[in-house]
Amino acid sequence: DAKTTQPNSMESNEEEPVHLPCNHSTISGTDYIHWYRQLPSQGPEYVIHGLTSNVNNRMASLAIAEDRKSSTLILHRATLRDAAVYYCILRGPGDNYGQNFVFGPGTRLSVLP
Amino acid sequence: NAGVTQTPKFQVLKTGQSMTLQCAQDMNHEYMSWYRQDPGMGLRLIHYSVGAGITDQGEVPNGYNVSRSTTEDFPLRLLSAAPSQTSVYFCASRYGPSTNEKLFFGSGTQLSVL
Repeated sequence: DAKTTQPNSMESNEEEPVHLPCNHSTISGTDYIHWYRQLPSQGPEYVIHGLTSNVNNRMASLAIAEDRKSSTLILHRATLRDAAVYYCILRGPGDNYGQNFVFGPGTRLSVLP
Repeated sequence: NAGVTQTPKFQVLKTGQSMTLQCAQDMNHEYMSWYRQDPGMGLRLIHYSVGAGITDQGEVPNGYNVSRSTTEDFPLRLLSAAPSQTSVYFCASRYGPSTNEKLFFGSGTQLSVL
């Protein structure tokens, strides 16, 4: 799998937007960009994914750069419940049976009241 | 709809003991996998299965065995526990092979080996 690079940690104030960046300069044309998050003492949960176009769902928005070498997860209004580790993952057809979701260290988001 | 269920939530073992971590899913997913997560690190793939009767090794398979006799269950066996296996273990499942598919995780088993 192509690698991703994320900041180790970020801080946000409650009710403000949060932009979580991810660099993936070696992304291939068929790699999907997935975001997961892991709340304290829980398993990771799916947030959003996309290929080329920006994506929105009830949890977040995903903005993908035109050259696809970077993407940004946007939480429109951070709440205390959004404090978690956020993982940016590339998923491509080259990984064996598609099993190897490569979860790196991610970005630890702290939300301040 | 329970999703992915892992038991037990916590376990303490002595070095050399064996045990089985249970994982069950009720979403009729073909693909299941086991990950371990060590402090401050991401998740590492231990073993995975692409259907009943089919399993394969992931990144860190040594010391672990798996089998998949049914679609629903994917137990992970520790053959002879070692302190290096102290970790949090997550089971995950998804419907199929597409890179578009979401991965669903259980809530984890925290294992300590003394």
